Amino acid sequence: VHLVESGGGLVKPGGSLRLSCAASGFPFTSAGMSWVRQAPGKGLEWIGRVKTKADGGATYYAASVKGRFIISRDDSKNTLYLQMNSLKTEDTAVYYCTTIYFWGQGTLVTVSS
Amino acid sequence: SYELTQPPSVSVSPGQTARITCSGDALPTQYAFWYQQKPGQAPLLMIYRDTERPSGIPERFSGSRSGTTVTLTISGVQPEDEADYYCLSTDSTDTFWVFGGGTKLTVL
Repeated sequence: VHLVESGGGLVKPGGSLRLSCAASGFPFTSAGMSWVRQAPGKGLEWIGRVKTKADGGATYYAASVKGRFIISRDDSKNTLYLQMNSLKTEDTAVYYCTTIYFWGQGTLVTVSS
Repeated sequence: SYELTQPPSVSVSPGQTARITCSGDALPTQYAFWYQQKPGQAPLLMIYRDTERPSGIPERFSGSRSGTTVTLTISGVQPEDEADYYCLSTDSTDTFWVFGGGTKLTVL
């Protein structure tokens, strides 16, 4: 199982960024997927998840990101996405994609002017 | 919002047993997962569905549940077990995931 996040970087407050998570080694279409983040020196924070298409494909978000972040998946590309809008300095963190059983290595997002 | 409560820190000597608890009102009806995280690394699943251990995880790691509390037990703690440990579960509607605040395990 391999999960590889990409798309992190430095962005100004109010800006946008899209993260990707390329999955391999397991049936991606059968896996619910989540994004989890970890601010520097802090604990893990679940930010949202997407169900499988077979389960209806619904998305759910933590209150801290609802209305600003959008999770989507492209099963034809075995890829999970996180569109982050209206970014705030407190969104600075390492962002992980996970199936709950397996995790990527994370990508760092820094929101700073 | 739903919360899971963990002790901030636990300290044990090598060879002793460490118990890390996680409390939450929905735990009687929702599964818990436990993760180990070492500095600079991604979390590693240690226990899933309260008591199941993934392949490759040493037998000294075990999970249990009693009412609104789940416990990660590490029997015969080794120096390499020093890490942060997080519990994960969902709210009563099985919609929103929640992590505990994390417990730093120190091996004296």
